[in-house]
Amino acid sequence: AQTVTQSQPEMSVQEAETVTLSCTYDTSESNYYLFWYKQPPSRQMILVIRQEAYKQQNATENRFSVNFQKAAKSFSLKISDSQLGDTAMYFCAFMKSQGGSEKLVFGKGTKLTVNP
Amino acid sequence: ETGVTQTPRHLVMGMTNKKSLKCEQHLGHNAMYWYKQSAKKPLELMFVYNFKEQTENNSVPSRFSPECPNSSHLFLHLHTLQPEDSALYLCASSPKRGQGPGYTFGSGTRLTVV
Repeated sequence: AQTVTQSQPEMSVQEAETVTLSCTYDTSESNYYLFWYKQPPSRQMILVIRQEAYKQQNATENRFSVNFQKAAKSFSLKISDSQLGDTAMYFCAFMKSQGGSEKLVFGKGTKLTVNP
Repeated sequence: ETGVTQTPRHLVMGMTNKKSLKCEQHLGHNAMYWYKQSAKKPLELMFVYNFKEQTENNSVPSRFSPECPNSSHLFLHLHTLQPEDSALYLCASSPKRGQGPGYTFGSGTRLTVV
């Protein structure tokens, strides 16, 4: 079974600075998908970024980027120029294959606070 | 609003009550999911429906009873719950295979069992 581990329960960062959230996972699959979701106090789980394991290039979405190390099974999220609105729970998640009814496996989350 | 709507937003119920949670999506997705989110625990998958058919029941107690009358609607019927069932219940949907991975989540129902 796949597992996802987020080793940082809480982190904080000053506004405009950069922060990196860690995620490791365990799987025997060779192709899969990795995600970072953000859950602000509104409770909505919002997709931040997605990485396909067969792509070596790290995904980037504006201020959000990942460092995907397939051999190490590591998938960290870097947030540049942190903003107050980035304050939220961040969840790393794994999916075995593409779509259909494939289940999403989550880590326990990292609570990020951006301080003014 | 993401396209997945959950009602009610909050629910307080006694252990002997019967209530239902509702989830609705009009994204054309074919798969729908119930997740339970408790404090300091990973999100727990409860049920998966694909084209209205239940494809996974993750050892969920029978006091939780899902219903999926069509691909757009998903219900979670609750009866004789326990205080430890208090949690945020999240519904999600995803497109069919080949249309790209990724879920769309609702805002959840915060359930308190007293």
